Amino acid sequence: AQTIHQWPVAEIKAVGSPLSLGCTIKGKSSPNLYWYWQATGGTLQQLFYSITVGQVESVVQLNLSASRPKDDQFILSTEKLLLSHSGFYLCAWSLTRNTEVFFGKGTRLTVV
Amino acid sequence: GQQVQQSPASLVLQEGENAELQCNFSTSLNSMQWFYQRPGGSLVSLFYNPSGTKHSGRLTSTTVIKERRSSLHISSSQTTDSGTYLCALSPGTGSNRLTFGKGTKFSLIP
Repeated sequence: AQTIHQWPVAEIKAVGSPLSLGCTIKGKSSPNLYWYWQATGGTLQQLFYSITVGQVESVVQLNLSASRPKDDQFILSTEKLLLSHSGFYLCAWSLTRNTEVFFGKGTRLTVV
Repeated sequence: GQQVQQSPASLVLQEGENAELQCNFSTSLNSMQWFYQRPGGSLVSLFYNPSGTKHSGRLTSTTVIKERRSSLHISSSQTTDSGTYLCALSPGTGSNRLTFGKGTKFSLIP
């Protein structure tokens, strides 16, 4: 069975500090991977997707970056956090495009 | 304009009543998913339903591509059904993008 694990569960960070959120998918080789973000009270929106190791496409510009260093790992990061980065971050995977998407449990980020 | 529109934005019913949640889309459809979002934010997948009707317990999802709509029906609603329901579509252009609606907040009166 496939599992998706996100870390950390929650973070409280200062404005201007760096951030790294991680996601690991086990039990599925070469999945499509995605990062989603939801501001408090807002709509879930896709930030990045990756169809293979080393390749990441940006969907929404939020002064964040993403990398896929391994087939089963997806990292979201920034060197300088903004207050507007606060929210809920979800990692997800699918077999290919336009197939069912499966989500991790998410990371709650509060920037103060 | 917004590709995915959910209605109603909020719904309040008495326990035992049936609920109908709608999702209308303005783009061609490749797939449709319905989720329940827990208060903490995590998503529970309810249906992957690109077309037709699917059942799961008291839940039924119907997607009619020609009419550009998908619905989620909750029968004999219970207080545990309270929460936010989201629909999300993958457009027919072959995109890697899943676009979410704003959600329906569903509340039950005991």
